[in-house]
Amino acid sequence: GAGVSQSPSNKVTEKGKDVELRCDPISGHTALYWYRQSLGQGLEFLIYFQGNSAPDKSGLPSDRFSAERTGGSVSTLTIQRTQQEDSAVYLCASSLEASGRQQFFGPGTRLTVL
Amino acid sequence: AQSVTQPDIHITVSEGASLELRCNYSYGATPYLFWYVQSPGQGLQLLLKYFSGDTLVQGIKGFEAEFKRSQSSFNLRKPSVHWSDAAEYFCAVGAGRAGANNLFFGTGTRLTVIP
Repeated sequence: GAGVSQSPSNKVTEKGKDVELRCDPISGHTALYWYRQSLGQGLEFLIYFQGNSAPDKSGLPSDRFSAERTGGSVSTLTIQRTQQEDSAVYLCASSLEASGRQQFFGPGTRLTVL
Repeated sequence: AQSVTQPDIHITVSEGASLELRCNYSYGATPYLFWYVQSPGQGLQLLLKYFSGDTLVQGIKGFEAEFKRSQSSFNLRKPSVHWSDAAEYFCAVGAGRAGANNLFFGTGTRLTVIP
């Protein structure tokens, strides 16, 4: 596609439920990143995928968070047993490759946990 | 550890006035530095980036930034602000393990432009 797409654009869920957020990177981009933007906060790095290498999960805040990238393209971020503090905008970005390349961001998914 | 500080949470300028948004970073090696802009309801858009070479970099929409290693700064400037520049601006440093480039962002500066 022309840009990074994310779905859904908005998600409202109840505390304790699991949610899945999807990211479609730009075709041909081998690197994919997930970030979280909480109200009044900057963007927080969550996880990074590069090709077939093991992902860099150093930014995941707890073991309730996980992400997969199937076939080197689409990625899914899963949050289990959601908590109210998980409410944020989750942004996905992709780049041609790692190491200094420009990242292109999707519009984000706004998650609200009631 | 890497970190980015944007000391100004909110700045208000008059249309046509000059603008400088401050950014200080902490990183042990030569950083990759970025400025992104986020308009309401929009995704993040890259304004400019510094990887190496000339320390004064030009970006889109008339923005420029200067990398000053001695001050660990990468301030964003524009000589004449337009009303459409009202947005949230984020400074970021690219870091992470070898070959990676996860970005560390500042908390952002909200720019308000008054007529």
